[in-house]
Amino acid sequence: AQSVTQPDIHITVSEGASLELRCNYSYGATPYLFWYVQSPGQGLQLLLKYFSGDTLVQGIKGFEAEFKRSQSSFNLRKPSVHWSDAAEYFCARVGGSQGNLIFGKGTKLSVKP
Amino acid sequence: EAGVTQFPSHSVIEKGQTVTLRCDPISGHDNLYWYRRVMGKEIKFLLHFVKESKQDESGMPNNRFLAERTGGTYSTLKVQPAELEDSGVYFCASSQRSRATTEAFFGQGTRLTVV
Repeated sequence: AQSVTQPDIHITVSEGASLELRCNYSYGATPYLFWYVQSPGQGLQLLLKYFSGDTLVQGIKGFEAEFKRSQSSFNLRKPSVHWSDAAEYFCARVGGSQGNLIFGKGTKLSVKP
Repeated sequence: EAGVTQFPSHSVIEKGQTVTLRCDPISGHDNLYWYRRVMGKEIKFLLHFVKESKQDESGMPNNRFLAERTGGTYSTLKVQPAELEDSGVYFCASSQRSRATTEAFFGQGTRLTVV
């Protein structure tokens, strides 16, 4: 069955430090992959998506993600974290042809001053 | 342009009561999705409307849940009677086309607590 795994439930980084959030998917040679962010009191906002082509994808807010087929991974990165990046991050893949999504459990990011 | 709007933002009800959640999608979006996140778990797909028709309701947990989208505009999700395990955050999303590559826009969610 299709699934998405985010192995880290909670990560704390210092402001200005680099960030990498892990995401692994199962089943499917080239899945359609997404990263969403949910800030407190807000809805889910799309950070970036990967469908095909260049495996390094640029998103909003300075985030990027790299699709690695050999590792079934789609890790999210940011070179320098800002306090406003504190939020919960969700990796997702399309679950069917109609666009419904399969999500990971989410990774909560805390940022230390 | 208004985004996806969900009402209420929070709801606390007693076990056995009925609750109705509402979602107003982005204008012109034919596709509307409901998701739910139970605490500590993944956000899970519940169902998908194309206009007023249910395209896929494979994620609906049981027959205590009833979703409607009369006229293909806003949608309601009714839970009757509510049970403790129904507590969680219910998200609504909408998109222009029901394709795997079409971005879905999410509402802020309704946090439902059943006591």
